[in-house]
Amino acid sequence: EDKVVQSPLSLVVHEGDTVTLNCSYEVTNFRSLLWYKQEKKAPTFLFMLTSSGIEKKSGRLSSILDKKELFSILNITATQTGDSAVYLCAVEYLSEETSGSRLTFGEGTQLTVNP
Amino acid sequence: DAGITQSPRHKVTETGTPVTLRCHQTENHRYMYWYRQDPGHGLRLIHYSYGVKDTDKGEVSDGYSVSRSKTEDFLLTLESATSSQTSVYFCASNRDRQETQYFGPGTRLLVL
Repeated sequence: EDKVVQSPLSLVVHEGDTVTLNCSYEVTNFRSLLWYKQEKKAPTFLFMLTSSGIEKKSGRLSSILDKKELFSILNITATQTGDSAVYLCAVEYLSEETSGSRLTFGEGTQLTVNP
Repeated sequence: DAGITQSPRHKVTETGTPVTLRCHQTENHRYMYWYRQDPGHGLRLIHYSYGVKDTDKGEVSDGYSVSRSKTEDFLLTLESATSSQTSVYFCASNRDRQETQYFGPGTRLLVL
């Protein structure tokens, strides 16, 4: 069964700390891995990763994919209270049933950054 | 953000009543999706559409039907709502399967 597992499920840190969020997956016909940030509304897109070992960066956020070990990490440096959110990992794969691509989401990591 | 709206944003209904949620996008995206989000499960795909009148089931499609008569609108219908369908429903769309999906603001549905 295709699945995406995120860890930790919940994390509380202080402003300025660096955090690492994990996402492991088991899917057939992998196409890409995506990270989303969800505050009290809809998920917003952060990164799409398709190749191993190539770091994607956006400000204090960065992410990397390891297709051999089937995981990705999302790093946030110098955290701020505005980083408090649920971070969702999703894996896109090609569905054998329909020959179309699908997204499977992990449960998310609830990050709380305290001042 | 893509122009995706959902209506209603909140709804309370009773078990056994029909409910229709609407997703509207102004980006001329070909693909549209309906997800539900529940604690302990993350986002799960209900149905998706790959064009007008072309739809397919997701992983949790039982009890739901969809219709897409126009590119911009994707309707999700609960024919006879049950308490297990209490959830937050998100619509998403993208122009191409290889592109990221953009999400609507969500609809909170409570079935009493």
